[in-house]
Amino acid sequence: KAGVTQTPRYLIKTRGQQVTLSCSPISGHRSVSWYQQTPGQGLQFLFEYFSETQRNKGNFPGRFSGRQFSNSRSEMNVSTLELGDSALYLCASSYDRVAGETQYFGPGTRLLVL
Amino acid sequence: AQSVTQPDIHITVSEGASLELRCNYSYGATPYLFWYVQSPGQGLQLLLKYFSGDTLVQGIKGFEAEFKRSQSSFNLRKPSVHWSDAAEYFCAVGARRRKNDMRFGAGTRLTVKP
Repeated sequence: KAGVTQTPRYLIKTRGQQVTLSCSPISGHRSVSWYQQTPGQGLQFLFEYFSETQRNKGNFPGRFSGRQFSNSRSEMNVSTLELGDSALYLCASSYDRVAGETQYFGPGTRLLVL
Repeated sequence: AQSVTQPDIHITVSEGASLELRCNYSYGATPYLFWYVQSPGQGLQLLLKYFSGDTLVQGIKGFEAEFKRSQSSFNLRKPSVHWSDAAEYFCAVGARRRKNDMRFGAGTRLTVKP
């Protein structure tokens, strides 16, 4: 079974631009979560989508948004990029049968904002 | 909300020596607890998890962890470290009432000396 895939793997943008990252979960998984990883803040939870609805949300500004499609694929969008948005963005998926289920992580998208 | 503390930012051990990585959590009830490992440029891989039952949990790659409710701890151990264990290790806590709402510790970077 294929793992979680994320595209693109690397991205360079400039301040003020917007960016869209994509995540394809493991087949059959219905929940997709997004995390931001930076050296200073570590791994921070952005949001989680289930059945095309945002179910959980971390403490990030409204510039960070996401969506999930009917096939469970998810996209994350960051508008008006700031230098501090440079990070590794990780996507994780799970079946969502019970709470606390194992999440499987993708390799991440490394975003550099200049 | 739940939270995790990993007191050690960086640990160096000699190959063949034993390893213990510390993790303390804060949560009002019995949490779900996880240990993940991240190699450079990679996503996170699950090592082991605790949901309930036996407080000593066995994981992959020879790792184990012990849940101690009285100390709010979930320390990761390995009896003999291999050079390939050099990586960053993350402890995470999940809420039983909220699916896929996980909080990660800041991580502990492990260096293995030959």
